[in-house]
Amino acid sequence: EVQLVESGGGLVQPGGSLRLSCAASGFTFSSYDMHWVRQATGKGLEWVSAIGTAGDPYYPGSVKGRFTISRENAKNSLYLQMNSLRAGDTAVYYCARGSSLGYFDLWGRGTLVTVSS
Amino acid sequence: EIVMTQSPATLSVSPGERATLSCRASQSVSSNLAWYQQKPGQAPRLLIYGASTRATGIPARFSGSGSGTEFTLTISSLQSEDFAVYYCQQYNNWPPGTFGGGTKVEIK
Repeated sequence: EVQLVESGGGLVQPGGSLRLSCAASGFTFSSYDMHWVRQATGKGLEWVSAIGTAGDPYYPGSVKGRFTISRENAKNSLYLQMNSLRAGDTAVYYCARGSSLGYFDLWGRGTLVTVSS
Repeated sequence: EIVMTQSPATLSVSPGERATLSCRASQSVSSNLAWYQQKPGQAPRLLIYGASTRATGIPARFSGSGSGTEFTLTISSLQSEDFAVYYCQQYNNWPPGTFGGGTKVEIK
């Protein structure tokens, strides 16, 4: 079955760190750009990071310098290392597969990150 | 950064009726526009890409149109399972692929 499964979310204090993982199956993981997209409760979707097939990372200004995206093709896995977390980072984080053009054609079910003291 | 604006924020429609959702880009995105459906507690699902191409498995009652800065998602005859939030996303200027704020389609 073609799917993405996120893990690693939880409660963390402001200033803390967390590492999210995404396990891919059912497709050739190494051939796709991969993304993280987040959604605060009751809010819209916000792109958080992307990594190309060659391992090239991309970030919006809101997380640049704090978040690091990486991938391990041998394990069909995507990661997001989140440091210096803030209350505004509280959200469900989705792993998403990117098409060659840039839209997201496969999504995981998400993992909840709560930043609170 | 390209700003995507969706309207209306909420659309009240009776089952069987037609729903028309709008998405406007702050500058031209050509036909590089996708639509997603999200139901409560679920991940988004790709409906339309290239402004008008249905994704695999998407029913024909969903159709997309437009190019440049003005786009429309039409659901020809709303079914019970179509009540959800719909997001547009441009991927012409990437990164980032910016999303609209969403339109909630609710039962009238």
